[in-house]
Formats: sequence, C-alpha cells, structure tokens
Amino acid sequence: GNSVTQMEGPVTLSEEAFLTINCTYTATGYPSLFWYVQYPGEGLQLLLKATKADDKGSNKGFEATYRKETTSFHLEKGSVQVSDSAVYFCALGDNTDKLIFGTGTRLQVFP
Amino acid sequence: NAGVTQTPKFQVLKTGQSMTLQCAQDMNHEYMSWYRQDPGMGLRLIHYSVGAGITDQGEVPNGYNVSRSTTEDFPLRLLSAAPSQTSVYFCASSYNSPGTSGVETQYFGPGTRLLVL
Repeated sequence: GNSVTQMEGPVTLSEEAFLTINCTYTATGYPSLFWYVQYPGEGLQLLLKATKADDKGSNKGFEATYRKETTSFHLEKGSVQVSDSAVYFCALGDNTDKLIFGTGTRLQVFP
Repeated sequence: NAGVTQTPKFQVLKTGQSMTLQCAQDMNHEYMSWYRQDPGMGLRLIHYSVGAGITDQGEVPNGYNVSRSTTEDFPLRLLSAAPSQTSVYFCASSYNSPGTSGVETQYFGPGTRLLVL
C-alpha cells in the first residue's frame, strides 16, 4: 500500500542554520504531497503542499519540491528560527478518503 | 469562526469506563476524521465521515465508535476504555473528502489528551 517515510528526529539546530527534513513516499499514480506542522500544545496545521511532479510548495520561508523521479518531498529552510521548533509531518493524498501521514520529525532550534 | 473545537482537553479514565470525545466544526465541512497520535507512530486514522449519516473505518477502529448525525458534530465514543487507548486524539475536517480532490487542506482541532489507568 501507499506509505510515507520520514527521517527520525529529533533534529537539533542552532538559529540561522539550514534545515532539511527528508520525506520519501511509496504510491501508485500521482499523489498530492503535504507538510503539516504541529507547534507545542497545538493541533496540526498545513505548512505547504504540492499537487504534481516538479511543483514547489512554499510558505513562511519553508520549501519542498515534488520529485517524482526520487519519490521525495524534502522540506527545507535556509535559516531557521527558535520559533520554528515544532514537529513536522509529511503526508500523502492518494485520492482515497484517507490521508497518509509519516511518523513526524521533531525540530529543536536553539539560540 | 471557531474552526475545529474539541472537548475535553484532558481526561483520565479507569479501565472499563466509557466516555465520548466531542468534536465540532463551524466551517460547513463535509469531511471529518479522528486520529490518534502516539510516540513514534505518527498519526493513525481511527474513523472518518464524508458527510452526515456516513461513517467508515480507518486504520485503527477497534474499541471506538462514531456517528455523524449533523454536519457540525463528530463524536468519538470509547465504550470500554483500555490502557492501550492512552493517547492524544485529534479531530480534523475539510470541505470535501481527500478522495474528491487530493488537495484538500485538513483543519485540526487542538487535541484531547486521554490517560487510561
């Protein structure tokens, strides 16, 4: 079946460092891909999404490119802030009634 | 709009007790769903609904019941709580089912933290 695999965390960075969180997927057809973020004590909220190959989703300085040839959707940010500390979830929509989430990657940013 | 609301925020149960986790949304969303979040396992879908009167099972439905009598409400019932149901529960909603078009944004509630002793 379809699935999403994320790098294990936690990812620990200093402020202004470059961030990459890896996400790869397994799916038939052409799924949509999402990154959701969960700040401490809150529910998840959509960070960005991409609906077809080579699309780039971006928001709040974060970017991710839908790479069909490598089945990847890695999340990147050029300069992280302490306020980016959160858990990040990669997710896949395969045109069924269900979204498939990865296990989440915790990011900790220190001043 | 209040968005997606969940009550209670935190609950402690004894094994065998029953309870209902409440979820409501005021965005006129057709699709609603329940997830549980456990360390190292991410979010797992429990039950979902594509509209009033329609519910279906997700990945981990055992031990949980749902109903959808109105568009706004989607309660999750634990009939006989077990320690394995200790988790954080999230309700989410969207205008349409992810199956309608794969790009639907899910709106999540703040969660209910449940501890079963």
